[in-house]
Amino acid sequence: DAGITQSPRHKVTETGTPVTLRCHQTENHRYMYWYRQDPGHGLRLIHYSYGVKDTDKGEVSDGYSVSRSKTEDFLLTLESATSSQTSVYFCAIQLAGKVNEQFFGPGTRLTVL
Amino acid sequence: GESVGLHLPTLSVQEGDNSIINCAYSNSASDYFIWYKQESGKGPQFIIDIRSNMDKRQGQRVTVLLNKTVKHLSLQIAATQPGDSAVYFCAENKFSGGSNYKLTFGKGTLLTVNP
Repeated sequence: DAGITQSPRHKVTETGTPVTLRCHQTENHRYMYWYRQDPGHGLRLIHYSYGVKDTDKGEVSDGYSVSRSKTEDFLLTLESATSSQTSVYFCAIQLAGKVNEQFFGPGTRLTVL
Repeated sequence: GESVGLHLPTLSVQEGDNSIINCAYSNSASDYFIWYKQESGKGPQFIIDIRSNMDKRQGQRVTVLLNKTVKHLSLQIAATQPGDSAVYFCAENKFSGGSNYKLTFGKGTLLTVNP
């Protein structure tokens, strides 16, 4: 399973509150990604990281920030959650040397009321 | 907007039949095209990829065809099994600088295999 865990797995929060989702990997992969998945939109890239403290924006980065202070953890933060951020969030890692093969975590279902 | 999309949102087949899932793309600059499978309650799983300068690639029970003339990608699954029931996503991968690539996913096709 490429040693990827996501926490929490489920969260319900209120509009305006900050939320941090954690992605943890145990295999020292360089590239990590955060996606959101919504009905009718498939998976959309929020942010990605190509190393410690090296991150870049994806196609739907507004309202999200990320941090990667160590190789194994990639954090996604919603500074002030909105109902439009209700979604399932997936973290992924890229397998070394395989640019097309991303391995996904189990997902976090976030509901913003 | 998205450059990768799907012709049909659902596909139902009988067990043992062959399945064909189609995808249209608009970005001719993509370097790779990929198929992912997502089972209910799980994250997507890589199935097979094809480089943009290839027409066909075969894997175990799966074949991906790329028609650059009409910008069409398909996934063929031979002898479809109940375990193949899932949502299938086509995706494109494009080099974005340095050693970075970015995946862009289509919306998905739900494949249902009937016993």
